[in-house]
Amino acid sequence: RKEVEQDPGPFNVPEGATVAFNCTYSNSASQSFFWYRQDCRKEPKLLMSVYSSGNEDGRFTAQLNRASQYISLLIRDSKLSDSATYLCVVNRKGSSNTGKLIFGQGTTLQVKP
Amino acid sequence: DVKVTQSSRYLVKRTGEKVFLECVQDMDHENMFWYRQDPGLGLRLIYFSYDVKMKEKGDIPEGYSVSREKKERFSLILESASTNQTSMYLCASIKRWGDGNTIYFGEGSWLTVV
Repeated sequence: RKEVEQDPGPFNVPEGATVAFNCTYSNSASQSFFWYRQDCRKEPKLLMSVYSSGNEDGRFTAQLNRASQYISLLIRDSKLSDSATYLCVVNRKGSSNTGKLIFGQGTTLQVKP
Repeated sequence: DVKVTQSSRYLVKRTGEKVFLECVQDMDHENMFWYRQDPGLGLRLIYFSYDVKMKEKGDIPEGYSVSREKKERFSLILESASTNQTSMYLCASIKRWGDGNTIYFGEGSWLTVV
């Protein structure tokens, strides 16, 4: 079983739809959590960090459930420009000053006109 | 803005060649990483470094080595390139571990081994 799991999709949705992605992680030592967006043949870029209290940035809402060990991303009012792959990233702290970043496979979103 | 620069964007190398991939960051980050990304497999960690001259193996270190002689530069070396090392290679850096610290990626190096 992978340490961070995502449904790879693709999710095909019409413009204006609301879409939700989930990500589960297996290591309870995981400390911080992120959603990254990756466009085709480009590097991943930070979309948002995920906090236990939940956080919102415009049309995007991220939630963390530590008890169930999952993270979610909700996109409201989808735009064509939201089409991309969304990567769930978990930071697991190691000894002293080191840590490890674990990536999910990514979930592909296609927003159609 | 933090900048992570990968000097070689697109390379074609022959089997058995030695390949160097260079990564430079300009924001005094302690931690640097090399990943490869393949369809269906996501990003996989090859090596990382948390200080000058320090390195640790990631999940798939076989066939690779790294060098970190200066804080800003982290090099990935393929001693003898093979076709199964054809991939997109991403360098990343982070200042230190803990909440609020963002991971920054370079633009990626597309390597084809023929």
